[in-house]
Amino acid sequence: DAGVIQSPRHEVTEMGQEVTLRCKPISGHDYLFWYRQTMMRGLELLIYFNNNVPIDDSGMPEDRFSAKMPNASFSTLKIQPSEPRDSAVYFCASSPGPRLGELFFGEGSRLTVL
Amino acid sequence: AQSVTQLDSQVPVFEEAPVELRCNYSSSVSVYLFWYVQYPNQGLQLLLKYLSGSTLVKGINGFEAEFNKSQTSFHLRKPSVHISDTAEYFCALYNFNKFYFGSGTKLNVKP
Repeated sequence: DAGVIQSPRHEVTEMGQEVTLRCKPISGHDYLFWYRQTMMRGLELLIYFNNNVPIDDSGMPEDRFSAKMPNASFSTLKIQPSEPRDSAVYFCASSPGPRLGELFFGEGSRLTVL
Repeated sequence: AQSVTQLDSQVPVFEEAPVELRCNYSSSVSVYLFWYVQYPNQGLQLLLKYLSGSTLVKGINGFEAEFNKSQTSFHLRKPSVHISDTAEYFCALYNFNKFYFGSGTKLNVKP
């Protein structure tokens, strides 16, 4: 299995632009999580899905952020409009079921907003 | 409320020396506990996990951790570290379908 695949790996954009991050989870995993990692705040859970349905989006910082999972093999995290404080590494992780105890992380998308 | 505290942000150690990375947690219910490792420019990988049973848990790369309920701790140990163990280590707690991560400890192994 190729693991969790994220794209793009790096994104540099200007303030106000729309940013779309993409994630392909491991086939057969029913849970998908989006995390944001910064030096100041560490790893923050933004949102997670179970069977393509958003279960908890309480970590989404504000309305500029949105996430979708149109099918079991694809999810997007969108920021519109982007701001410099959104600069971070965004990780997607999938799991066959969190109680089994493992999250499988992608390599992350490093976003820089100028 | 659930939380994970990693007391040391950085731990320098010489190669072949033992190391302990500390983790304390707070939870009002039973928890599952994990250690993940993050190498530069990569995602997190599972090192080991405690779900139930023996309180001493062995993981990959020679790491082990001990669950101590009375002290609410889950410290990570390795008897002899290698240069390749240089990475950031995250302690995590699972409860109610969510993982709560600590702030991370950067292990710097020096030759």
